[in-house]
Amino acid sequence: AQSVTQLGSHVSVSEGALVLLRCNYSSSVPPYLFWYVQYPNQGLQLLLKYTSAATLVKGINGFEAEFKKSETSFHLTKPSAHMSDAAEYFCAVSGEGGSEKLVFGKGTKLTVNP
Amino acid sequence: GAGVSQSPSNKVTEKGKDVELRCDPISGHTALYWYRQRLGQGLEFLIYFQGNSAPDKSGLPSDRFSAERTGESVSTLTIQRTQQEDSAVYLCASSLWAGYTFGSGTRLTVV
Repeated sequence: AQSVTQLGSHVSVSEGALVLLRCNYSSSVPPYLFWYVQYPNQGLQLLLKYTSAATLVKGINGFEAEFKKSETSFHLTKPSAHMSDAAEYFCAVSGEGGSEKLVFGKGTKLTVNP
Repeated sequence: GAGVSQSPSNKVTEKGKDVELRCDPISGHTALYWYRQRLGQGLEFLIYFQGNSAPDKSGLPSDRFSAERTGESVSTLTIQRTQQEDSAVYLCASSLWAGYTFGSGTRLTVV
């Protein structure tokens, strides 16, 4: 069965620093991979998704993620953190057995310090 | 409609009562999902409907939880004899070819 592991439930960076949120997946087939963001007291918003096209995926708000099959990873990065990036970030996977079932990681809470 | 609609947006119920949560998916989306998000936690998969196939109920936490979907339209999630640990935001999503859209959720509080 597909699964997602997000390393680090909390990540803290300074404003202007690199943001790196880690996601490793387990899937027996080429997966579809997603990053979602959830701001406090708000719903889920799609940041970006990988669906077997280009391995480097660019999303909204300056975020990008790179699919690395050899490492079974899909880490999320942003070169320079902004205070408004403080939120919870969820990695998700789907596609096994032709299923659209979306399985989420436990989330990483990003704090941005001034 | 333009998005996934969930109702009610908030529900306060007494312990032991039954509740029904409703989800209106995007028209044409063949798949529909229910997730639960407890305060400060991640998204816990509950149930997945895909077209006319048998639903994947592997995430339902107990037999107090059930869900129905008529064709590719509205779904209802029913929680019987609610307990305080059922307090959470219940999120619905629908999808077509890996394009997922989430509703705003129903915040359930069991007192």
